[in-house]
Amino acid sequence: KQEVTQIPAALSVPEGENLVLNCSFTDSAIYNLQWFRQDPGKGLTSLLLIQSSQREQTSGRLNASLDKSSGRSTLYIAASQPGDSATYLCAVSLRGAGSYQLTFGKGTKLSVIP
Amino acid sequence: DAGVTQSPTHLIKTRGQQVTLRCSPKSGHDTVSWYQQALGQGPQFIFQYYEEEERQRGNFPDRFSGHQFPNYSSELNVNALLLGDSALYLCASSFGLASNTGELFFGEGSRLTVL
Repeated sequence: KQEVTQIPAALSVPEGENLVLNCSFTDSAIYNLQWFRQDPGKGLTSLLLIQSSQREQTSGRLNASLDKSSGRSTLYIAASQPGDSATYLCAVSLRGAGSYQLTFGKGTKLSVIP
Repeated sequence: DAGVTQSPTHLIKTRGQQVTLRCSPKSGHDTVSWYQQALGQGPQFIFQYYEEEERQRGNFPDRFSGHQFPNYSSELNVNALLLGDSALYLCASSFGLASNTGELFFGEGSRLTVL
């Protein structure tokens, strides 16, 4: 059974700081890995999608890396802003289990202090 | 371009009642998945519909059922509600089962409170 763990559970940083969120998964036979952002009481916004054959993806101040063999992914946020405050969720889909069935971590709650 | 839309946004039910939640997928998408997110937890997969059939199912009891219509919209039904069914129910849409990047797009969710 695939398990996804996100560390830390919560993180508080001053505005302008660069930060890294971590995600680990137990089964390396993944189809893809997706990072989402969730504001309180809201739905999920897709940030970055990394296919199993890729090593990283970038979008603006966000960079996500994937090391499938070690079962790890990181989300790097550069020059953090108060508007980045949210919960960040990592999710993986397994090859052969139906491409779009995602297993999620519990998320990292990020607070960026002005 | 309309994204994934869900209704209702909030609802309150009592134990033993039944509830129906609705979802319209993003334009061009034909696959709908449902997830349950309890407070402080990550979403958990309930089931997935494609071509009006349930294709994948997570570890949820038969009280949870669904339907997909010819226009690709979907309903989630929960019977005999329990207090533990209180959660945010998220709908996600995508294109195809295994022929695309696998990226999912989520709606804003339906917040169900069972009293």
